[in-house]
Amino acid sequence: AQSVTQLDSHVSVSEGTPVLLRCNYSSSYSPSLFWYVQHPNKGLQLLLKYTSAATLVKGINGFEAEFKKSETSFHLTKPSAHMSDAAEYFCVVSEYGNKLVFGAGTILRVKS
Amino acid sequence: DTEVTQTPKHLVMGMTNKKSLKCEQHMGHRAMYWYKQKAKKPPELMFVYSYEKLSINESVPSRFSPECPNSSLLNLHLHALQPEDSALYLCASSREGTGGPGSGNTIYFGEGSWLTVV
Repeated sequence: AQSVTQLDSHVSVSEGTPVLLRCNYSSSYSPSLFWYVQHPNKGLQLLLKYTSAATLVKGINGFEAEFKKSETSFHLTKPSAHMSDAAEYFCVVSEYGNKLVFGAGTILRVKS
Repeated sequence: DTEVTQTPKHLVMGMTNKKSLKCEQHMGHRAMYWYKQKAKKPPELMFVYSYEKLSINESVPSRFSPECPNSSLLNLHLHALQPEDSALYLCASSREGTGGPGSGNTIYFGEGSWLTVV
């Protein structure tokens, strides 16, 4: 069975500093991996996805993630945090039949 | 356009009421989903419709009844709910309803319907 572990439940950064949200996955297959963001009282928005093409995936709003098979990781990064990045971020792996397996989520706080 | 539209945004209902949540997409997607999200938790899958047929029911209580009238619409009928059913209900859609791991079908979510059962 597939699983996802988000290593930090909360991350706090200052505006303008780099963001790193960590995600490890477990999968028996070649996985599809996604990062979604959820702003307060909103639905989920797709940030980026990995589907066995380039290992470095660029997403919206300056985010990117690197797929590392040897480390079973898919960490999300952004060079410079903005106040509007404050939200909850979910790392997700896709199972057969499009069943999504969600990580527990990481709440990102951005300090001014 | 990657829009999934849900109505109503907020719903308050009593435990004896019957109400419905509605979801619509015009992306030509053939798979549609209902998820339930409790506060401070990730979404949990409830139902999947693939080509307008129910393909997954995650052992959801019968007081939740899904319906897919056509490929663009998905309803969730609610009856005799309990206060613990209060949550954010998210609708989603994807291009295909099947496909192995790594198929990369992206699932697009709506803004959700906030349900409060009193």
